Amino acid sequence: QMQLQESGPGLVEPSETLSLTCTVSGDSVTSGSYYWSWLRQPPGRGLEWIGFIYYSGSTNYNPSLNGRVTISVDIFRNQFSLKLSSVTAADTAVYYCARGHGDWEPIDYWGQGTLVTVSS
Amino acid sequence: QSVLTQPLSASGTPGQRVTISCSGTSSSIGSFYVYWYQQLPGTAPKLLIYRNNQRPSGVPDRFSGSKSGTSASLAISGLRSEDEADYYCGGWDDNLSGPVFGGGTKLTVL
Repeated sequence: QMQLQESGPGLVEPSETLSLTCTVSGDSVTSGSYYWSWLRQPPGRGLEWIGFIYYSGSTNYNPSLNGRVTISVDIFRNQFSLKLSSVTAADTAVYYCARGHGDWEPIDYWGQGTLVTVSS
Repeated sequence: QSVLTQPLSASGTPGQRVTISCSGTSSSIGSFYVYWYQQLPGTAPKLLIYRNNQRPSGVPDRFSGSKSGTSASLAISGLRSEDEADYYCGGWDDNLSGPVFGGGTKLTVL
């Protein structure tokens, strides 16, 4: 059974960089044609896709985040990571790491999520 | 504003059948598969339906999905109190080149 687990600080100061890591177990980030993604859900609101990466290193990011996103993958540690720069209170959300089912298909597995609050 | 459009709320009584709609465009639902997710309070979304109408193992056959053109629907039959949750449709958008979601439908079991 594949599992994804987010880790990282729960509190980030405004203008700083949010950094999260997702550890994958029960599967390999190099397997199949899956992509590895980050999403978020502000309190009481819907889901927003942030970006994704293939194990090859190919990435795609949501343009609404205005170039603040970097996603990387570590195939040796079976992890992938998110960096979101210049955060504001609007970036406060539950952040999910997830697996995409393949090319042109949405998410099939989700991590449990981690709340990140942006505040001084 | 979400790329896919869902009603904000839906409701039904135990045993009833309810449906939740999801509307998109030719560059999203019209061209790609639709997935459905259930999100219980305080938990992560869970895959309910994939590739329009397929159920992952462990999902009861009370849940079913369909797609026609640029719209899709999730049907829940034999409604139970434990079905009370938020339901999201998901897809892919060709313009964004990424996954997209509806705004979510809050299902209340009366």
